[in-house]
Amino acid sequence: DVKVTQSSRYLVKRTGEKVFLECVQDMDHENMFWYRQDPGLGLRLIYFSYDVKMKEKGDIPEGYSVSREKKERFSLILESASTNQTSMYLCASSLEAVYSNYGYTFGSGTRLTVV
Amino acid sequence: GEDVEQSLFLSVREGDSSVINCTYTDSSSTYLYWYKQEPGAGLQLLTYIFSNMDMKQDQRLTVLLNKKDKHLSLRIADTQTGDSAIYFCAESYTGKLIFGQGTTLQVKP
Repeated sequence: DVKVTQSSRYLVKRTGEKVFLECVQDMDHENMFWYRQDPGLGLRLIYFSYDVKMKEKGDIPEGYSVSREKKERFSLILESASTNQTSMYLCASSLEAVYSNYGYTFGSGTRLTVV
Repeated sequence: GEDVEQSLFLSVREGDSSVINCTYTDSSSTYLYWYKQEPGAGLQLLTYIFSNMDMKQDQRLTVLLNKKDKHLSLRIADTQTGDSAIYFCAESYTGKLIFGQGTTLQVKP
């Protein structure tokens, strides 16, 4: 069964900490995405990557960065965590042909609380 | 920018049909998707429809697409308590998926 694995289900961090959220996929997908999910706002795209070492800003990249050194791993970095970054973070991956009936495969999410 | 809109909440009784509606803005979307999110989980692809189709049926699920009005709906027949979840519609736009806010479906026994 194909999988997108996010390293932590729950995280609690302090304001100002540097936070790493890890995502690994085993499907040899080219595309990987980071979203945050907030009630009433749906999923908002933070960053995405179409290939190793490539990254593109999504709709809300401020306060975040990403790293993709290997095809299977896509990391989201909060340079200096703030309370307004408390959220559910979802990683997803997809085949190169984005306009396909496969859509995205999602991880289970990381619920991050910044105190 | 591109936008996908959904109502936030729907409550139905077990055994009834549920209809979840969605409007989108990008008329060039090739595929439109419905995802389901159960409590504490990520999103699962439920079904999809290609933009040249009007309807797609998959067991208890029926997807209707009105391209003229940019309206997408998901009908769940004989709704069960296990269908309680958040349902997201999504359109494909410039290589990315744009999601709606999600509709929370509550199924009462």
